[in-house]
Amino acid sequence: IQLTQSPSFLSASVGDRVTITCRTSQGISGDLAWYRQKPGKAPNLLIYAASTLQSGVPSRFSGSGSGTDFTLTISSLQPEDFATYYCQQLTTFGQGTRLEI
Amino acid sequence: EVQLVETGGGLIRPGGSLRLSCEASGFSVSGKYMSWVRQAPGQGLEWVAVIYGGGTKYYADSVQGRFAISRDNSKNKVYLQMNSLRAEDTAVYYCARDQGQFETLWYFDLWGRGTLVTVSS
Repeated sequence: IQLTQSPSFLSASVGDRVTITCRTSQGISGDLAWYRQKPGKAPNLLIYAASTLQSGVPSRFSGSGSGTDFTLTISSLQPEDFATYYCQQLTTFGQGTRLEI
Repeated sequence: EVQLVETGGGLIRPGGSLRLSCEASGFSVSGKYMSWVRQAPGQGLEWVAVIYGGGTKYYADSVQGRFAISRDNSKNKVYLQMNSLRAEDTAVYYCARDQGQFETLWYFDLWGRGTLVTVSS
């Protein structure tokens, strides 16, 4: 399975609503996760099972999708959200989406 | 505090060997599904290996036959033995805990800070 994220780069401002898409090369169950990775830090689990918010993660993050198309939405960007985001299904990660100010 | 701490990285010549350690605190690695994930400089994430709660092990094709994952429950550690290292193995290596209790869910809910391995002559 291949995971393709779009866009690869995204410019936005604090307070914006943004959506990142992850498309799989074949239909999968809802076993998809999203991570945020701040520069120089380890990834942090945000969403699992496509739409379940990980404990401790702010509610501005949400996930949706099924089949081959999944999305991560950040409802109101905060300064700490400018980072790189990865989707993951089983052993495969997407190539990442870099979110910049 | 629940955390993972990786050690053992460094500079190694091509063809050499290195063993990475991942020490867990705040929980027991016994019965847990534990993975190693790596990230080459400026690149994305690549899963490397997993050890299941029952001890079954799986590897990425890129490291199959060269790397070996293991666990020492008495020391609460997970290891990655890396042999026949290549330049393309240069990366930060992260230890990661699977969220699953009785099966692997492939959701990594706890990561270490990583340890850098540089393979160069």
